[in-house]
Amino acid sequence: DVKVTQSSRYLVKRTGEKVFLECVQDMDHENMFWYRQDPGLGLRLIYFSYDVKMKEKGDIPEGYSVSREKKERFSLILESASTNQTSMYLCASTSTGNTEAFFGQGTRLTVV
Amino acid sequence: AQSVTQPDIHITVSEGASLELRCNYSYGATPYLFWYVQSPGQGLQLLLKYFSGDTLVQGIKGFEAEFKRSQSSFNLRKPSVHWSDAAEYFCAVALTNTDKLIFGTGTRLQVFP
Repeated sequence: DVKVTQSSRYLVKRTGEKVFLECVQDMDHENMFWYRQDPGLGLRLIYFSYDVKMKEKGDIPEGYSVSREKKERFSLILESASTNQTSMYLCASTSTGNTEAFFGQGTRLTVV
Repeated sequence: AQSVTQPDIHITVSEGASLELRCNYSYGATPYLFWYVQSPGQGLQLLLKYFSGDTLVQGIKGFEAEFKRSQSSFNLRKPSVHWSDAAEYFCAVALTNTDKLIFGTGTRLQVFP
């Protein structure tokens, strides 16, 4: 059974903290994505990666960075968390040549 | 710029009734088209996809969708809704088979017994 695993379901962090959201996939997929989901806005792409050590900005990269040191792991980093980054964060992966995306269960982040 | 519109934010139907969720896209060529479902507290699951060929595609859980090029639409349908279909539904497009997905804003489906 294919799986994308996000390290935390719920997180509460303080304003100004550095926050790490981790995502691991066991399908040997080349491509990985981070989205944030907000009511009425759907899913918006933050960053994506087509290969190890590669990253591309999505539609809303400001305030975020990513790291992909290993093929199976894609980390989203909030350098200095702010309250407007309170959201649901979803990780996804795809294999090259197949756009069917597999999603993790999401991390609901609250910044106080 | 490529975009996806789901005009219905919230739909309520009775169990056993038919369902149609609307999706329109804006792009010069025919993109790759997808419908995903998100149950409460869960990630997204692929229902069906259209790349080419037959414009009526069948998916899981009894869903189907029809691609209409003239209307730039890819509406999702189900002839008889079950209470377990209550969820949020997202339409998505991609430029190519290897491109990132662009999502609509979602339609929340509520099912009454």
